[in-house]
Amino acid sequence: DIQMTQSPSTLSASVGDRVTITCRASQTISSWLAWYQQKPGKAPKLLIYKASTLESGVPSRFSGGGSGTEFTLTISSLQPDDFATYHCQQYNTYPLTFGGGTKVEIK
Amino acid sequence: QITLKESGPTLVKPKQTLTLTCTFSGFSLRTSGEGVGWIRQPPGKALEWLALIYWDDDKRYSPSLKGRLTITKDTSKNQVVLTMANMDPVDAASYYCAYWGVQTGGALPTSWGQGTLLTVSS
Repeated sequence: DIQMTQSPSTLSASVGDRVTITCRASQTISSWLAWYQQKPGKAPKLLIYKASTLESGVPSRFSGGGSGTEFTLTISSLQPDDFATYHCQQYNTYPLTFGGGTKVEIK
Repeated sequence: QITLKESGPTLVKPKQTLTLTCTFSGFSLRTSGEGVGWIRQPPGKALEWLALIYWDDDKRYSPSLKGRLTITKDTSKNQVVLTMANMDPVDAASYYCAYWGVQTGGALPTSWGQGTLLTVSS
């Protein structure tokens, strides 16, 4: 199985901050990576797929980058609605696997 | 608008078989590339993909759970059913069904149900 490792596991930031979350794959996955946002008690919501393609309706302050084994999710200016947990997921190979999640907290 | 909703028991006993139903709308699961799958998340833990069924009845399972899982579809009822045998307390989690969308070539979950929380206890 491809292991997905996210860092940091928790991130404290303020409204307006630029934040970056990293996801590393244990083997190359080309650009077959997605990012999800999850709020407490809710289902994950797709933000980005194919490493950098923004899902329809997702604000442009979210961006994704990377390829191969290292990927990033950047929020250019953190908004109050962005405090949540973010998950990466590879879909290069079955079984599909997720990272452990990064919780973005209010500083 | 695509919607999915999970239904099933909230409590099962160890060694029992779990049956979860996903009822969907906004798509038919008859279009090339469409799929419906299941993902779970133990409280405070990571997401784990379980199983997936495509429009053409192609099925995929998590190898770590493959012997315990069965996924089927009933397109006449717009439903996908997941059964998991031999339940254990470690299987306690929120279980989500999700739509694998044609806009991404059926490669990943693009719309999710609200989830259903399951407890496993005698």
